Amino acid sequence: SQQGEEDPQALSIQEGENATMNCSYKTSINNLQWYRQNSGRGLVHLILIRSNEREKHSGRLRVTLDTSKKSSSLLITASRAADTASYFCATGPRGSARQLTFGSGTQLTVLP
Amino acid sequence: NAGVTQTPKFQVLKTGQSMTLQCAQDMNHEYMSWYRQDPGMGLRLIHYSVGAGITDQGEVPNGYNVSRSTTEDFPLRLLSAAPSQTSVYFCASSYTGTQRNNEQFFGPGTRLTVL
Repeated sequence: SQQGEEDPQALSIQEGENATMNCSYKTSINNLQWYRQNSGRGLVHLILIRSNEREKHSGRLRVTLDTSKKSSSLLITASRAADTASYFCATGPRGSARQLTFGSGTQLTVLP
Repeated sequence: NAGVTQTPKFQVLKTGQSMTLQCAQDMNHEYMSWYRQDPGMGLRLIHYSVGAGITDQGEVPNGYNVSRSTTEDFPLRLLSAAPSQTSVYFCASSYTGTQRNNEQFFGPGTRLTVL
């Protein structure tokens, strides 16, 4: 079963705009991570937020976590064509922090 | 460092055939895992290992075997391939221990088709 579900499934924006993706999950977590996957490639880790954190930044990325609502959001600011990819949230449950459960992903297309 | 490497990149099997997907990492990571990715379903955990000699099942282990004789290698064996095992397979590794990040490093994937 899918622990994390991303919303929207697909997102198309213009270069320079911000992109926001949301993730919901079902059980208690140790951490939540976001990964990017370019077409035909493996996944690349973007950012990790622990269950006791509410917000985290890394370059143009901002992640928020609301454990009471079991949800997270990923904001990419000033998007570029190179940001075009699929984005996945993954949750590491309590006691098994590395046994990640992935959502089905958001396909982001950034138009030049 | 090469990171996580997987071979082969592509494979076509007939139903009932067996094969081994290879995975190796040179980062001295204790934790290694195998996922499969099907269209529209994200990644699902097949098997994982927290160190040499220790393996355990993930969400979808049926039809697959693993072993971990060294820290570097974590092969995935398909015993009798079925069309339902057509998928893209990813190997990943990470450190263990509470002082380390849980970030996982992924290989480039093996695209498997079972006819």
